[in-house]
Amino acid sequence: LAKTTQPISMDSYEGQEVNITCSHNNIATNDYITWYQQFPSQGPRFIIQGYKTKVTNEVASLFIPADRKSSTLSLPRVSLSDTAVYYCLVGDWAGANNLFFGTGTRLTVIP
Amino acid sequence: GAVVSQHPSWVICKSGTSVKIECRSLDFQATTMFWYRQFPKQSLMLMATSNEGSKATYEQGVEKDKFLINHASLTLSTLTVTSAHPEDSSFYICSASTASGNLLVGNEQFFGPGTRLTVL
Repeated sequence: LAKTTQPISMDSYEGQEVNITCSHNNIATNDYITWYQQFPSQGPRFIIQGYKTKVTNEVASLFIPADRKSSTLSLPRVSLSDTAVYYCLVGDWAGANNLFFGTGTRLTVIP
Repeated sequence: GAVVSQHPSWVICKSGTSVKIECRSLDFQATTMFWYRQFPKQSLMLMATSNEGSKATYEQGVEKDKFLINHASLTLSTLTVTSAHPEDSSFYICSASTASGNLLVGNEQFFGPGTRLTVL
């Protein structure tokens, strides 16, 4: 079971780029990396998923180094509405390991 | 697409009563559904995994006789909290997955909005 480690909390000013790094030293060959966002009293929302190198979508980018032992979620120009908890999950295609949430990173965007 | 709903969104009940929470995948068929519990200021904790037509698999420490899971169809799973007590008060979240078996695609979980259970 690939365990993930993230910073407990981060603060950022509006308009800045925010990078949240997740460590997953025991990631397996078949594991992929998924990031979720959760607002209070809501279910997690899928942000981005990747296996290696870089993935970009309309809301974020995901950087994964060659050894895949870590990954970085990059949120460009954050706004107050990006204040949330961000979770990094690591698991295989069948989802067997993609079910265990770590502590997450509580991002607070400051005006 | 990929919308998961939960009903009710919140429920308050007396201690000793049973509460049923429904989880539905609205626009896709979910091969697997998961149930999580989340206490205030804490992360999500997986309770059980259910596949349509088979018994649920419970995580260690989760009482299967207390948290009854029924996955009757590819679009509906229910969680019944039997004889609820105040310590069962929590935020219950379900998710649905369509495992494709494609490594490059992976299979993300689609989460419901959650159900807030308060046991008095």
